[in-house]
Amino acid sequence: NAGVTQTPKFRVLKTGQSMTLLCAQDMNHEYMYWYRQDPGMGLRLIHYSVGEGTTAKGEVPDGYNVSRLKKQNFLLGLESAAPSQTSVYFCASSYLRYPFNNEQFFGPGTRLTVL
Amino acid sequence: SQQGEEDPQALSIQEGENATMNCSYKTSINNLQWYRQNSGRGLVHLILIRSNEREKHSGRLRVTLDTSKKSSSLLITASRAADTASYFCATGGNAGGTSYGKLTFGQGTILTVHP
Repeated sequence: NAGVTQTPKFRVLKTGQSMTLLCAQDMNHEYMYWYRQDPGMGLRLIHYSVGEGTTAKGEVPDGYNVSRLKKQNFLLGLESAAPSQTSVYFCASSYLRYPFNNEQFFGPGTRLTVL
Repeated sequence: SQQGEEDPQALSIQEGENATMNCSYKTSINNLQWYRQNSGRGLVHLILIRSNEREKHSGRLRVTLDTSKKSSSLLITASRAADTASYFCATGGNAGGTSYGKLTFGQGTILTVHP
């Protein structure tokens, strides 16, 4: 199993450009998440999904959109990139198991620079 | 806002010594988890402790949880150079409830183990 994979690994954008980050998981997980990691800030949740066709806002959703058309894929879009979106982006997934669970499995990250 | 506050921010020890990292949080939780991140890589889940547990062991890891003080500690015994990494605590809710398995991460502790 590949686990959680992210594409691309690195990207440099100019201000105002758009791009889509792809996350794929082969563990049949229900839940998927997008985080950004900035120095000294830990990880902050951007958007998440609790199943195919559903998405919800996290802590820092502004400037991002997401889609989950297939259970195994979670896409993060930047419509008009800004320098403040320079960060490392991580995708994660987790399974559903009552009443306790939510150990998350992380991808390797995408390092994005916006000039 | 970040739920977890970790202490210390950085820790430098010699191989063979024990490393202790602390995490404090603000609101009630369902479970608390610890993750490890090697430089330039994604996070890897280490251990999960539920709110009704006080201590848990996994190999050289020992985690304690004090819900009355809203704090947790991670002890790594007999540290090795390969333990050099950043360690994050994350607090979570019940995946079956409205938290949808979301985690809130602390800023992390950078551990350096010298050979």
